[in-house]
Amino acid sequence: DAGITQSPRHKVTETGTPVTLRCHQTENHRYMYWYRQDPGHGLRLIHYSYGVKDTDKGEVSDGYSVSRSKTEDFLLTLESATSSQTSVYFCATTGSSKAFFGQGTRLTVV
Amino acid sequence: GESVGLHLPTLSVQEGDNSIINCAYSNSASDYFIWYKQESGKGPQFIIDIRSNMDKRQGQRVTVLLNKTVKHLSLQIAATQPGDSAVYFCAEMGGRDDKIIFGKGTRLHILP
Repeated sequence: DAGITQSPRHKVTETGTPVTLRCHQTENHRYMYWYRQDPGHGLRLIHYSYGVKDTDKGEVSDGYSVSRSKTEDFLLTLESATSSQTSVYFCATTGSSKAFFGQGTRLTVV
Repeated sequence: GESVGLHLPTLSVQEGDNSIINCAYSNSASDYFIWYKQESGKGPQFIIDIRSNMDKRQGQRVTVLLNKTVKHLSLQIAATQPGDSAVYFCAEMGGRDDKIIFGKGTRLHILP
């Protein structure tokens, strides 16, 4: 969607290494979200942010941390990647009753 | 209800028939509802929305129905086509802020 970009789009990393995914928005939306999606499953909320430096846990937050130092950027960090964190990660933003999704980041932990 | 970790429920529909996908939402204070379509390998895409002051809204081949009494939302797709094959998510927003909550999703499978 216009105004929201994720980077990288693809990443392969080794078990035990730290990984950071970035979500950047130009919509000036207050809310930003990180989801993971596994094959055959729906979106599962990892963490979300409701403002700069304001974050909260979602349903699958273990093993993940987030930071929001600026309105436009929401970072998702895997402190020590595990194979169970192999997934597709989606960032989303909401504001003014509109929601936008990034194109997703495919992360493979080997 | 569906639990985290279980596979998505699947609705199989004959091509040309109408599809009805249902969703129960959680927050009685929600006042804005959205349906998304997610095709394989892509992010969710907006289909249609409805505000809580309405009970029906129609788009091109799609209709959303809202029953606030039982907190139920449905998406009707007329004359289902192979291109409709996807996962469909409902979402709710509102109360006093823009936080969005997604439903678990339903996979629509089109039979030839």
